[in-house]
Amino acid sequence: DGGITQSPKYLFRKEGQNVTLSCEQNLNHDAMYWYRQDPGQGLRLIYYSQIVNDFQKGDIAEGYSVSREKKESFPLTVTSAQKNPTAFYLCASSIDLQGAEAFFGQGTRLTVV
Amino acid sequence: GQNIDQPTEMTATEGAIVQINCTYQTSGFNGLFWYQQHAGEAPTFLSYNVLDGLEEKGRFSSFLSRSKGYSYLLLKELQMKDSASYLCAVGAYSGAGSYQLTFGKGTKLSVIP
Repeated sequence: DGGITQSPKYLFRKEGQNVTLSCEQNLNHDAMYWYRQDPGQGLRLIYYSQIVNDFQKGDIAEGYSVSREKKESFPLTVTSAQKNPTAFYLCASSIDLQGAEAFFGQGTRLTVV
Repeated sequence: GQNIDQPTEMTATEGAIVQINCTYQTSGFNGLFWYQQHAGEAPTFLSYNVLDGLEEKGRFSSFLSRSKGYSYLLLKELQMKDSASYLCAVGAYSGAGSYQLTFGKGTKLSVIP
């Protein structure tokens, strides 16, 4: 089945460690996004990518990094520089950027202790 | 930047009709989306408006007025399973030509018997 897959669903890390969240899609979508969701904050854009080997910072990119070496994959690294990394992270993709609905993965709930 | 406002919470009775409003301020507007999100799950697409007017899809309808920066989502014949958060999202092009999809904080709808 076509879709967008995030793994793992739950992730625990110690403070000060980098952690990479996986996002894979087999929908042949060009655009991919990473959002962070905190209670009462809605979805906030971290990074987005229009095509392979290109990505742009969103509203809250500090402390995060991404890569887009393949069309299907858009991993997000939460670095130790991110002050409040505990959150629900959502990856999404769309067929192109303009007017296309975004399909979301099931999310990764990251807890840093 | 973009500013998207929607009510934080609403309560409605099973079988009734509820209207969830969304106002936005943005430049480079290119469409407004509504998503439904159940607690702990990924958002799912409900509707898309790029031109003024009403789009109807079963029990759900969405309206857009670009001149007023206003949209609403109308849910008819409410069911208990409609209890969820409803996210308003605006697509827009920045001055540099890049496209972003920005979400409001969401409206948590509780449907009561």
